[in-house]
Amino acid sequence: GAVVSQHPSRVICKSGTSVKIECRSLDFQATTMFWYRQFPKQSLMLMATSNEGSKATYEQGVEKDKFLINHASLTLSTLTVTSAHPEDSSFYICSARAGRDSYNSPLHFGNGTRLTVT
Amino acid sequence: QQQVKQSPQSLIVQKGGISIINCAYENTAFDYFPWYQQFPGKGPALLIAIRPDVSEKKEGRFTISFNKSAKQFSLHIMDSQPGDSATYFCAAGGDTGFQKLVFGTGTRLLVSP
Repeated sequence: GAVVSQHPSRVICKSGTSVKIECRSLDFQATTMFWYRQFPKQSLMLMATSNEGSKATYEQGVEKDKFLINHASLTLSTLTVTSAHPEDSSFYICSARAGRDSYNSPLHFGNGTRLTVT
Repeated sequence: QQQVKQSPQSLIVQKGGISIINCAYENTAFDYFPWYQQFPGKGPALLIAIRPDVSEKKEGRFTISFNKSAKQFSLHIMDSQPGDSATYFCAAGGDTGFQKLVFGTGTRLLVSP
């Protein structure tokens, strides 16, 4: 159980275009989803937290107009990288949690999306 | 105060040996401490987690040791296997209220055959 599906796994786009990444909780309803960015051989950097039906909360330094997050339902959140630039190339990972209690509703991660902007 | 410091950065252990990874935190409000395992090109997967009301938790070959007074916790992998070769992240956060996790910097473990 507790599967988080992320799509696509890899995407290559041209500079200036937008890319949408989907994150779905397959067998549970995700009250909260988190989006992370990970550079090679580095830790996970939290970009934003989203709760279903409300606006995402972005971490300091993350441009909300560039990284659009929509948590449309309890099983789907999307991250859209707008006007992508080569420096946006990275590994983007979503995660989801069913409840409020971390210990009993741990965070489950998708398999990530490797974005390359040419 | 939000940082979680993790060491070592990389670790090489022989098959059958014990792998030990350490983490330290500052924020005394943290009350949930999970460890995640990540293989290349994949998302992290939860290995084991502990709350500060216990000093140790064991699941199979994986053990978390927790020292509340020192604000430190560690992951021990007993009888390490080549299949354990991965990057391990410790994390810390609040147990309730949608609180986000703060991740350590990661440890790349290589278990040699």
